[in-house]
Amino acid sequence: EDKVVQSPLSLVVHEGDTVTLNCSYEVTNFRSLLWYKQEKKAPTFLFMLTSSGIEKKSGRLSSILDKKELFSILNITATQTGDSAVYLCAVRINTDKLIFGTGTRLQVFP
Amino acid sequence: DGGITQSPKYLFRKEGQNVTLSCEQNLNHDAMYWYRQDPGQGLRLIYYSQIVNDFQKGDIAEGYSVSREKKESFPLTVTSAQKNPTAFYLCASSNRRGNGEAFFGQGTRLTVV
Repeated sequence: EDKVVQSPLSLVVHEGDTVTLNCSYEVTNFRSLLWYKQEKKAPTFLFMLTSSGIEKKSGRLSSILDKKELFSILNITATQTGDSAVYLCAVRINTDKLIFGTGTRLQVFP
Repeated sequence: DGGITQSPKYLFRKEGQNVTLSCEQNLNHDAMYWYRQDPGQGLRLIYYSQIVNDFQKGDIAEGYSVSREKKESFPLTVTSAQKNPTAFYLCASSNRRGNGEAFFGQGTRLTVV
């Protein structure tokens, strides 16, 4: 059975801290791994990763994929209260099936 | 503007009734998805469709049905067989070419009363 597991489930930090969110997967016929941020309703796209070892970066957020060890991490440096959200990891397989993990709830306090 | 439209935003249903959630996209995407999200949880896949007139069950398809008669539309019916239908439902679509990201609608919150 295809599955995506995220850890931790919940994280509470203070502004300025750096956080690392984890996503591991076990799927057949991997195509890509995607990260989303969900604040209220619709998840918004952050990154898509297809190749190992190539870091994707956007401002204070960065992500990398390890296809040998079957995991990805999402780093957020110098966290702000606006980073508070649920971060979702998803894996796409070659039948177009898109499988999500349980999410990590991040709370950033001033 | 291009995007995905879900309707209604809020829906109340009496026990034993079927109800249909609408999802329309004008992004010319081939693949469409339905997910269910319960409080404090991630997204669980109900059904997905790669192409018109074809769809596959996801992990929690029991009590749900879908159709894909048009490329733009992927309605979800929550039947009376679904034991615990109260949840937040999200529809998404993506381009099959490459590894394109999935775009989401704003969701429908279904409450059984």
